[in-house]
Amino acid sequence: TQLLEQSPQFLSIQEGENLTVYCNSSSVFSSLQWYRQEPGEGPVLLVTVVTGGEVKKLKRLTFQFGDARKDSSLHITAAQPGDTGLYLCAGARRGNSGGSNYKLTFGKGTLLTVNP
Amino acid sequence: NAGVTQTPKFQVLKTGQSMTLQCAQDMNHEYMSWYRQDPGMGLRLIHYSVGAGITDQGEVPNGYNVSRSTTEDFPLRLLSAAPSQTSVYFCASRRDRVGEKLFFGSGTQLSVL
Repeated sequence: TQLLEQSPQFLSIQEGENLTVYCNSSSVFSSLQWYRQEPGEGPVLLVTVVTGGEVKKLKRLTFQFGDARKDSSLHITAAQPGDTGLYLCAGARRGNSGGSNYKLTFGKGTLLTVNP
Repeated sequence: NAGVTQTPKFQVLKTGQSMTLQCAQDMNHEYMSWYRQDPGMGLRLIHYSVGAGITDQGEVPNGYNVSRSTTEDFPLRLLSAAPSQTSVYFCASRRDRVGEKLFFGSGTQLSVL
C-alpha cells in the first residue's frame, strides 16, 4: 500500500500554462516536503510545510499543506522549460523510539515536461 | 563544502559479484540513509543510520548490508548481486529533527547482468 499518492504521474504541458500536482494520504504527517529531481542528479528540496493550512510561495511555485496535514499540492504558474523534472513529495512522521526521530516516506513522483 | 559524495557514478556487475557503494558527507549530519529508485516505484529506503555504530533497516533491506563506523561515512554493501538489484542508488543525509532538509548525493547507476 502506497502511503503517499501523487497525481498525475506524468504531465506534459506547453510553456506558459499553469499546473497543479497533488500529494494525498490517509495518514497525518508532522511535515511535508517537496523535492525536484533532474536527470542524473539526486532530488533537491524545494520547500517544507509544517502547519495545517500553510501556504508557501517560491517565485512561481505555490505549495499548500492541507488543513488536516494529510495532503499537499504544488501549483506552478506560467510554467517554463526550466521547470521540467520529477517532483516528489515526502511526508514525515514520528519515528519509533530507539530509531530515527522521524521517518520520511516518498511518493512515486510526478514527471513534468514543459515544452517550449 | 562538498555535501554528500557518492562513488562510483556507474557500475556494472555480474550476478553473484559483490561490491560496496561509497557515501561520505561533510556536514556532520547524524542521520544517513540509502535509497533505491526504480521506474514507477519512487524512492524506497534500504537502510539508515542515526549515528556512528547505529544502523537500522528500511523498507527494502534484503540483499544489502551497511555499517556506520564514523559520522562521515555510510557504505552500502551488496554481498551477492542479483538482477533485481539493478537500480539507481542514492545516499542522503540530514540532521535528525522534524522538518530537516534531506541532502542527496548524485546517485550510482547499478546494472546487474
